[in-house]
Amino acid sequence: QKEVEQDPGPLSVPEGAIVSLNCTYSNSAFQYFMWYRQYSRKGPELLMYTYSSGNKEDGRFTAQVDKSSKYISLFIRDSQPSDSATYLCAMTPGGSEKLVFGKGTKLTVNP
Amino acid sequence: KAGVTQTPRYLIKTRGQQVTLSCSPISGHRSVSWYQQTPGQGLQFLFEYFSETQRNKGNFPGRFSGRQFSNSRSEMNVSTLELGDSALYLCASSLLDSGNTIYFGEGSWLTVV
Repeated sequence: QKEVEQDPGPLSVPEGAIVSLNCTYSNSAFQYFMWYRQYSRKGPELLMYTYSSGNKEDGRFTAQVDKSSKYISLFIRDSQPSDSATYLCAMTPGGSEKLVFGKGTKLTVNP
Repeated sequence: KAGVTQTPRYLIKTRGQQVTLSCSPISGHRSVSWYQQTPGQGLQFLFEYFSETQRNKGNFPGRFSGRQFSNSRSEMNVSTLELGDSALYLCASSLLDSGNTIYFGEGSWLTVV
């Protein structure tokens, strides 16, 4: 079993839709959870960072962590064509920069 | 504030050669890490440096090495290149004590022919 599982998609939605992206993990030592957005031929851009279970909101983005179920989600409200990218979940026990990444979900938002 | 800077952005090498990639972290960041990204394996951790010391190492052969300088800049080296080393190599930096907000550079695209 992989430490982090993420549905690779691809996911195609119309503009304005609510997008739900998810990752599951098996290592209960993971304490910090991140979502990165990666445009084609660019480096990953940090979108959201969470530590505790629960929800964290930033503009159109909401990150959700459920440590009891080992499940994290990223919701994008009112999706825009500019949101079209690959979304990567990442996590770490903390205290280092050693992140374990999901394989990424490719999202396309159609105008 | 400048981000993580990586050079060169693109390079082509021949099998058997070696390559050195450079990374300048965000000003004030003392922790630097390197990742390899391929379509098949995704993003995989290579190694991490803090205050010129390697803190962690991923599951890569000894052909992959790195170092960090006193100004926090870092380099990674791959010797005896193989076709399978073709990948995007990403450098990341953080304050380390900032709760793990880790920022990536744009990467160096390496093609081995």
